[in-house]
Amino acid sequence: GAVVSQHPSWVICKSGTSVKIECRSLDFQATTMFWYRQFPKQSLMLMATSNEGSKATYEQGVEKDKFLINHASLTLSTLTVTSAHPEDSSFYICSARGQGNEQFFGPGTRLTVL
Amino acid sequence: SQQGEEDPQALSIQEGENATMNCSYKTSINNLQWYRQNSGRGLVHLILIRSNEREKHSGRLRVTLDTSKKSSSLLITASRAADTASYFCATIKAAGNKLTFGGGTRVLVKP
Repeated sequence: GAVVSQHPSWVICKSGTSVKIECRSLDFQATTMFWYRQFPKQSLMLMATSNEGSKATYEQGVEKDKFLINHASLTLSTLTVTSAHPEDSSFYICSARGQGNEQFFGPGTRLTVL
Repeated sequence: SQQGEEDPQALSIQEGENATMNCSYKTSINNLQWYRQNSGRGLVHLILIRSNEREKHSGRLRVTLDTSKKSSSLLITASRAADTASYFCATIKAAGNKLTFGGGTRVLVKP
């Protein structure tokens, strides 16, 4: 199947700093990318949907100014957690979809905010 | 709110036994998908079943879909210790493009 990578795989940062997470589709062009957040022992919650070249669509309750999403190319989307706080600590997972229905998931990024 | 709800939330079985988990959803769907997630890792796509399909097989996996009851089941036959993971159903609504995940079932297969 298609491969989606995320970088970094884990990050520890101090409260108040910003963290950028990259999501890349390695062998296909992703017209749509999705960002999810997953707390321990819970399910994935969709944060936002991004289409290449346009603004992301955020789910209800997700602050767009806090979670900045950029989808500048068909193979790269970035999520920036601005002014991170301990409650933002979570597992962030991206997925990418090409021409078909199937979404391919990245391996996730574990963010720990001290 | 989550589109899919799964039960049981957790399941513990012996190696060789079958594992069955169920997923219910609320609105009409285009398709339903099952994923596996090992602890702290990304998701692995297992199987996709379309709304006009009733049953699908892939290796030791069997998925059923009952659109009249808005429910699906995943059966893992002859389970192995390596099947230990969390399993999630996810749906795409009939007129949508977003995957919505159920709460997941944590499966422990004891050797």
